[in-house]
Amino acid sequence: GENVEQHPSTLSVQEGDSAVIKCTYSDSASNYFPWYKQELGKGPQLIIDIRSNVGEKKDQRIAVTLNKTAKHFSLHITETQPEDSAVYFCAASITSGSRLTFGEGTQLTVNP
Amino acid sequence: DTGVSQDPRHKITKRGQNVTFRCDPISEHNRLYWYRQTLGQGPEFLTYFQNEAQLEKSRLLSDRFSAERPKGSFSTLEIQRTEQGDSAMYLCASSWGDGRASEQFFGPGTRLTVL
Repeated sequence: GENVEQHPSTLSVQEGDSAVIKCTYSDSASNYFPWYKQELGKGPQLIIDIRSNVGEKKDQRIAVTLNKTAKHFSLHITETQPEDSAVYFCAASITSGSRLTFGEGTQLTVNP
Repeated sequence: DTGVSQDPRHKITKRGQNVTFRCDPISEHNRLYWYRQTLGQGPEFLTYFQNEAQLEKSRLLSDRFSAERPKGSFSTLEIQRTEQGDSAMYLCASSWGDGRASEQFFGPGTRLTVL
């Protein structure tokens, strides 16, 4: 089955700096790669996703890149703010409606 | 509120007892998913439904776990004879079909503690 690895497990940045989180996946059949943000005591919230027919997607301060050949994808957050502090999860699946396989998460801390 | 809702939010039970959780998906969504999340880990897939049909069940899912979605709307997840290892956050998500707009939206979860 699919296996998703995520790095780093913790990331601390200064407000205004950029943050990058990287994931690799094992199943070449995977075509859908969402990113979720989870705050303490809450369920995961979808922040951005990318499908295999594009290499990059951007939404304001958040961008995701995908390299299908190398089987890795990354989340980029620019101009970080304290409210960006949370746990971020990457995931992979064959389609957006099928089971998601999640990475182990990255605890992002943005210091004021 | 039009998001995914789960009930209860917290459940404390003694080992050996049965527990049941409920999930109400976003009203127009036909797919409903259950995941389990332990502390410091990502969510792990358990099972999912399209309408009332259970389409997939994780091989890791014990026979003590059963899920239903009898009318294709809300779903229940039952755990029989709970064990301490069942302590986790149980997350429900929903989506519409399997097309381009079928992102999975999660509820707040039910935190289970087995004593």
